[in-house]
Formats: sequence, C-alpha cells, structure tokens
Amino acid sequence: DAKTTQPNSMESNEEEPVHLPCNHSTISGTDYIHWYRQLPSQGPEYVIHGLTSNVNNRMASLAIAEDRKSSTLILHRATLRDAAVYYCIPPLIQGAQKLVFGQGTRLTINP
Amino acid sequence: NAGVTQTPKFQVLKTGQSMTLQCAQDMNHEYMSWYRQDPGMGLRLIHYSVGAGITDQGEVPNGYNVSRSTTEDFPLRLLSAAPSQTSVYFCASSSYDTLNNEQFFGPGTRLTVL
Repeated sequence: DAKTTQPNSMESNEEEPVHLPCNHSTISGTDYIHWYRQLPSQGPEYVIHGLTSNVNNRMASLAIAEDRKSSTLILHRATLRDAAVYYCIPPLIQGAQKLVFGQGTRLTINP
Repeated sequence: NAGVTQTPKFQVLKTGQSMTLQCAQDMNHEYMSWYRQDPGMGLRLIHYSVGAGITDQGEVPNGYNVSRSTTEDFPLRLLSAAPSQTSVYFCASSSYDTLNNEQFFGPGTRLTVL
C-alpha cells in the first residue's frame, strides 16, 4: 500500500498563501491523491483530489509533481478559518473506500 | 439535505455497559463507514458497508458490531464498553465510486468510558 509523509505542523499569516507538502513516493500510476481537512471539534471534510495535472476548486489548488511522488496543497489566501489539520490521504484500495488518515499537518494561521 | 447525522453528541458509559451509536444519511449513498479518533491522532476505520446487508471489518473492529438493514442507517454497537473505547466516533458516507469518492462526515459522537 502507498504511504504518505507530511510535516507535523506549519504556521502562516492571514491573507498569505500556504503551501502544504505531501510525499507519496510509492504511488502507482492510476492512484488518485486526495486531501481532507479537519477543523477543530468537527469531522473531516473533503478538500480536493487529483491524478496527474494540477487541480483547482473553490477551496484550494493541488499541484502534483511530474513524477507524482509528491504533491502540494495550496491555499491561495489563508484565513483564520483555514486553521485545521490537513490530511494527505494515501491512494484508496481498489474497490473499497477506506480512507487512511495519518497524523496530518496542523496548520496555524496568525492574524 | 441534512447530510450525515450522528446521535448522541456526547455519551458517558461505565465499563461493561452496552450502547448503540446512531448514524443516518439522506443522500442515498451506498457506502458508509465508522471511524474512531483518539486524542492527537488521525482517524482509524472500524467497520464499513458497501450497501444494505453488506458489512466488513476495518482496521480496528474488535469490540464493535455493525449492521446495515437500510441504505440510510448504519448503527455502531458497543457490546461491553471498555475504557480503551473512549474516543470520538465519526460516521461517513459516500457514493460508491472508486475514483471520485468524496466522503461526507458527521459531526461525531464523543464517548467516555469510565
């Protein structure tokens, strides 16, 4: 099974961009990369997913390295509400949807 | 749509007591699952279901039972609670799609076993 590696914590300032890295060196060619986040005292919520090219949605952008061994979640203009634990999810087991949550990256946003 | 709902929000049990955590979704999702989250840790999968009448074990199934008699409901039963089961429990659901499977999580049930 593919594994992911993320920094334990990161800190940024409000209204500045944030780049959250994830290494997934054992990913296979057809595996999607998913990101979730968990706000304090809430359940996780889906952020974004992608396969090869960069992806954008209303919450964030996902930049995927050409060799697909790493990806970066980009929050273009962080707000205090973006303070959360961000999880880079290993590729899902084919035919099942068992999310595997590691420790994630705890993002602190300074006002 | 209410999304994924969980009851109760908080529960305190004594060791050996039994209880059922309720989970319901109104999105007609085939897939439902239960996770637990211990302090400072990521979520771990307990049990999951790919449709009514079908359940399977996740990473940490011991001490928990599930059943799926309807598409909407997926209750989690603790037969004999132990202090090691003190945790926050999250239920999730999604459409059964292996490629684009955004999972929707409930607000959680915070369980304390004394």
